[in-house]
Amino acid sequence: DAGVTQSPTHLIKTRGQQVTLRCSPISGHKSVSWYQQVLGQGPQFIFQYYEKEERGRGNFPDRFSARQFPNYSSELNVNALLLGDSALYLCASSFVVVELSYEQYFGPGTRLTVT
Amino acid sequence: RKEVEQDPGPFNVPEGATVAFNCTYSNSASQSFFWYRQDCRKEPKLLMSVYSSGNEDGRFTAQLNRASQYISLLIRDSKLSDSATYLCVVSSGYSSASKIIFGSGTRLSIRP
Repeated sequence: DAGVTQSPTHLIKTRGQQVTLRCSPISGHKSVSWYQQVLGQGPQFIFQYYEKEERGRGNFPDRFSARQFPNYSSELNVNALLLGDSALYLCASSFVVVELSYEQYFGPGTRLTVT
Repeated sequence: RKEVEQDPGPFNVPEGATVAFNCTYSNSASQSFFWYRQDCRKEPKLLMSVYSSGNEDGRFTAQLNRASQYISLLIRDSKLSDSATYLCVVSSGYSSASKIIFGSGTRLSIRP
């Protein structure tokens, strides 16, 4: 079975632009979470979606938004990009929400560079 | 105080040694606990879940101490391939209050 896939793998944007990142979960998984990881730090939780509904939100500004589609794939949108948004964006899928102790499986990430 | 804290290391130990990491968390309502490993410039990969009774998977043993609010990971007979960053993960809340917190990671380097 295919694992979690993300696209694109790398992206370069300029300040003020908008970006959309995409994620396809493992087949059968209904929950998708998004994380931002800057060098030297652990992943920071941005959003969790389950059955197309937002189930959790981290401490990120409203410039960050996401949605989940009927096929459980997801998009993360970031508006008005800042230099500080440069990071590795990770998507993770799980069968159910993490609180029920189902493990998350990560995709390879999208490396976003904002210049 | 960070919600999840780990000793950043690096831990530099010889092959065959036993090494242990701790991770403390501040939210007593936390419900689920995990250890992940992350290789350089790769995504995190699930190592093991941490159960209240403790659990073991080969050379790896994870423990949870709810009273003191920490989880631990013990690696026995360490291998060169164990060199990585180890991330602890704590989740709490449900529905709209869901929070998933990663520690900053502990770097482990195994030397021949």
